[in-house]
Parts: sequence; structure tokens; C-alpha cells
Amino acid sequence: AQTVTQSQPEMSVQEAETVTLSCTYDTSESDYYLFWYKQPPSRQMILVIRQEAYKQQNATENRFSVNFQKAAKSFSLKISDSQLGDAAMYFCAYRTAGGRDDKIIFGKGTRLHILP
Amino acid sequence: NAGVTQTPKFRILKIGQSMTLQCTQDMNHNYMYWYRQDPGMGLKLIYYSVGAGITDKGEVPNGYNVSRSTTEDFPLRLELAAPSQTSVYFCASNPPGNYNSPLHFGNGTRLTVT
Repeated sequence: AQTVTQSQPEMSVQEAETVTLSCTYDTSESDYYLFWYKQPPSRQMILVIRQEAYKQQNATENRFSVNFQKAAKSFSLKISDSQLGDAAMYFCAYRTAGGRDDKIIFGKGTRLHILP
Repeated sequence: NAGVTQTPKFRILKIGQSMTLQCTQDMNHNYMYWYRQDPGMGLKLIYYSVGAGITDKGEVPNGYNVSRSTTEDFPLRLELAAPSQTSVYFCASNPPGNYNSPLHFGNGTRLTVT
């Protein structure tokens, strides 16, 4: 069974600094998709960034980028120029590449605090 | 376009009572999911469905049942409520064929079992 592990329950970063959130996963599949979601206090789930496992190039979305290491099964999220609005829970998620077994599994999350 | 709609938003149950959490989507999405989120924790997959008539167990299915008679609806049934089922429940959906697309979440149902 696939698992997703986020080893940092909480992290803090100074406003305008850079922070990296860790995520590792376990799978025997070769084709899959990885996501980072943000959950502010409103409980709404917001997609931050996504990565296809078959792509070697790391995904970037403005201030957000990932370091995808397929062999190490690692998918970390880097937030540059941190802003107060980035404070939230961040969840790493794994998705199998279709078929009947189309599960999307989440990690336990990392709570990110932004210090003014 | 309503997206994913969950009802009710809040519910308090007594131990042993039953209830159905409703989830409906109007986006013609094949894939639908039920998650629970305990306080300060991540989302755990309860059940999922890849299409009408097909359902599968997720990570924590015990104490729950689902059905998928239509593409639009994916209700979650709690037969004998227990305090351990106190949680926020999220329904989500995804279109077919695009595995890179983000999940569309409902607003959640906060359930308390006392």
C-alpha cells in the first residue's frame, strides 16, 4: 500500500525568507502524481503545485517549487519570499495513475507559521 | 455551477445513532472520494469510487458504508456512531482521464458523536 510521510508537524519561517517542507512516499508504482495542497483556517483545500512522476523537471509555480527525487521517493516543497498569507497547513498527496485503484493518499500535514 | 455540495454542515449524534452524509457534484466527474480529517491531522481516505456502481475501501473504511448509484451522488453512511468517528468529513471529486487535475472539495461536514 502506498504511504505518504511528512516528518515535520510544524515549521516556522521569518517573513520574506525561504522554507522547505519535506515529504517522502512509498510506492511500488512507476507512474504516479504528486501534489501539495494548502489548507488555511477556512478548511478549504487549495492546490499549490503538482508533479508528474514521469517528468524529471521540477515543477514551479511562482514562489513555490518542488524538489522531486524519484529514486529517493522524496517530494519537498520550497516556498520563497514567504508571506503572511502562506501560513496554513500543507499536505503532500500521492495519486496512482488511474485504473480501478485510483486512490489519492495524503500525509499528516505540516503547519507553517510565518513570523512577521 | 455548484461544484461539490455536502450536507449537512454540522451534526451532533449520540452513540449508536445512524446518519447519512450527503455528497453531490454537478461536474460529471467519475471519481469521487470520502475523507475524514481529525483535529490537527491529515486527510484519511474512507472510501472512493471510480464511477457509478463501483466503490472501493480506502485507508479507514470500518464503521462506514457508501453507495454510488449515480455519477452525481456519493453518500456516506454511518450505521452505529461511535465517539471515534468525531471528525470533519470531506467529499471530493475529480474528472476522468486527467490524473494531474486537482481535487474539487466540498466544504466539509463537522460531525460530533457524544
